[in-house]
Amino acid sequence: AQSVSQHNHHVILSEAASLELGCNYSYGGTVNLFWYVQYPGQHLQLLLKYFSGDPLVKGIKGFEAEFIKSKFSFNLRKPSVQWSDTAEYFCAVNAADSGGYQKVTFGTGTKLQVIP
Amino acid sequence: EAQVTQNPRYLITVTGKKLTVTCSQNMNHEYMSWYRQDPGLGLRQIYYSMNVEVTDKGDVPEGYKVSRKEKRNFPLILESPSPNQTSLYFCASSSPDESYEQYFGPGTRLTVT
Repeated sequence: AQSVSQHNHHVILSEAASLELGCNYSYGGTVNLFWYVQYPGQHLQLLLKYFSGDPLVKGIKGFEAEFIKSKFSFNLRKPSVQWSDTAEYFCAVNAADSGGYQKVTFGTGTKLQVIP
Repeated sequence: EAQVTQNPRYLITVTGKKLTVTCSQNMNHEYMSWYRQDPGLGLRQIYYSMNVEVTDKGDVPEGYKVSRKEKRNFPLILESPSPNQTSLYFCASSSPDESYEQYFGPGTRLTVT
């Protein structure tokens, strides 16, 4: 069964600091990878996704992520965070299960708190 | 506007009283899913559907039922709710045409007393 690990559960940064959130997955086949963001009191929204091509993908609001296949990783980065980036961030993996159906698995999330 | 809608948004009920949370999407997506979100546990998939009349269990299906009679609707049914089903529930839809990017509904906060 596929699984997704987010090692940082709670991150506190000052504005303008750089951000990197780790995401590792366990699945040997072809995957689609996602980062979603959940602002306080809201539903999840897509930040960025990787499905093929350039392993460095850029998303909204200055976020980017790099897919490193050999490390089964898809870490999220932002050079300079803002107070408005305070949110919870979820990594997700989509892959075919044993029956050939697409299954998505989410990590447990990382809460980012940005201090002004 | 492309969207996923859920109703109700908030619900307080008592143990054992059957309830249904509706979910509808207007994007003609094949896939639909239900998740519950609990502190420290992230999102866990309850059930998913690959198309009309095709559903399968996710990671935490116990105590829940679903049906997919129409492509746009995917209701979640709790036949006999218990306090451990108190949670925040999200419906989502996706399509292979968009690499299975999940479009989420606004959420339903359920409290079972």
